[in-house]
Amino acid sequence: EVQLLESGGGLVQPGGSLRLSCAASGFIFSNYAMTWVRQAPGKGLEWVSGNSGNGADTYYADSVKGRFTVSRDRSKNTLYLQMNSLRGEDTAVYYCARDDSSGWFRWFDPWGQGTLVTVSS
Amino acid sequence: EIVLTQSPATLSLSPGDRATLSCRASQSVSSYLAWYQQKPGQSPRLLIYDAVNRATGVPARFRGSGSGTDFTLTISSLEPEDFAVYYCQQRGNWPPRVTFGPGTKVDIK
Repeated sequence: EVQLLESGGGLVQPGGSLRLSCAASGFIFSNYAMTWVRQAPGKGLEWVSGNSGNGADTYYADSVKGRFTVSRDRSKNTLYLQMNSLRGEDTAVYYCARDDSSGWFRWFDPWGQGTLVTVSS
Repeated sequence: EIVLTQSPATLSLSPGDRATLSCRASQSVSSYLAWYQQKPGQSPRLLIYDAVNRATGVPARFRGSGSGTDFTLTISSLEPEDFAVYYCQQRGNWPPRVTFGPGTKVDIK
């Protein structure tokens, strides 16, 4: 069974940092691009970042470019999102999802259960 | 950036009704459009990809149509478990700039 399990969320002060993890299982991790999507409380979905299967190419939304960094550890089948210089507007549930469109970011399936990041003093 | 607009924002219907949800793109996205369902407290679930293809396990009552800038998700006869929020999503050109529509909430009338 394909599973994605996010962790690492929590409460952080403005300007602080946090690293999220997404542990993948049930598929060959290096064969798939992955993506991060967030959802602020009561709001819609916002794409954050995409990462190619080999980890060489990463793409970011303008709202997080220069502050967030995506990486992956193939030995651990884990995707990471390093978030620096956090702001109140970064408060959201963060989901990782598998790009099921052969690296073209056309659709995402499945999604993890999400991890909540709260940026507040 | 390609903007997706969904209408209506809320659709109040009864079980057994037909639901028609619209997603419009600010410029052509060809057929590169996906639909997701999200229930309260759950993560999104892929329903439709490339505008017309049902994802694995999605019931046949869900149908996607359209191309270019105008897309429709039709639920032929609403089941109780279909009351949820529905989002459309596109990738944009390359490098990817994925965007989601604001969502349509289908609630019980």
